[in-house]
Amino acid sequence: DIQMTQSPSSLSASVGDRVTITCRASQSIGGSLNWYEQKPGKAPNLLIYDAVSLHSGVPSRFSGSGSGTDYTLTISGLQVEDFATYYCQQTYSNPQTFGGGTKVEIK
Amino acid sequence: EVQLVESGGGLVQPGGSLRLSCVASGFTFSAYWMTWVRQSPGKGLEWVANIRQDGSEKSYVDSVKGRFTISRDNAKNSLYLQMSSLRADDTAVYYCARGGVLNGRQEYWGQGALVTVSS
Repeated sequence: DIQMTQSPSSLSASVGDRVTITCRASQSIGGSLNWYEQKPGKAPNLLIYDAVSLHSGVPSRFSGSGSGTDYTLTISGLQVEDFATYYCQQTYSNPQTFGGGTKVEIK
Repeated sequence: EVQLVESGGGLVQPGGSLRLSCVASGFTFSAYWMTWVRQSPGKGLEWVANIRQDGSEKSYVDSVKGRFTISRDNAKNSLYLQMSSLRADDTAVYYCARGGVLNGRQEYWGQGALVTVSS
């Protein structure tokens, strides 16, 4: 199974900050990497798919990059509504696996 | 509007069984892979199982193999998860999610069904 290591596990940031979250796969996943946002008590929402593609309706301050084993989610200009937990997921092979999550908190 | 509505969650004793259902609407159910994802209280997301459009291919996370069975009924726009030999560590919110045409990302999610395994 492919292991996904996400870092950091938590971070504190202020409104307007640029935030970067990284995800590393235990083997190359060929860009089959998705990012989700989850708020307490709610289902996850897809933000980015195939490493770099913005899901419909997602604000352009979210962006994804990476290839091979290393991927990044960037939020350019953190907004109040962005305080949440973020997960990466590889869909290169079954079983699809998630990273451990990054909780973004208000500084 | 795409909707996924789970049902069937509840309290079950260790060793017991439960079947979750997910009814889909707003899209051509038979055209998409479907997935179950769970989340234990206070923990992260765990992919559980998925199933191809025609049910011919199924995959499971190791921790549920031999105990859980994913299935679908395209005529009823429904996805199922039959869970048996349940353990305390199966306690979680179980989400139904729509995959892609070629497997891949989960674009739409249900609201989740809570399964609690406890005596």
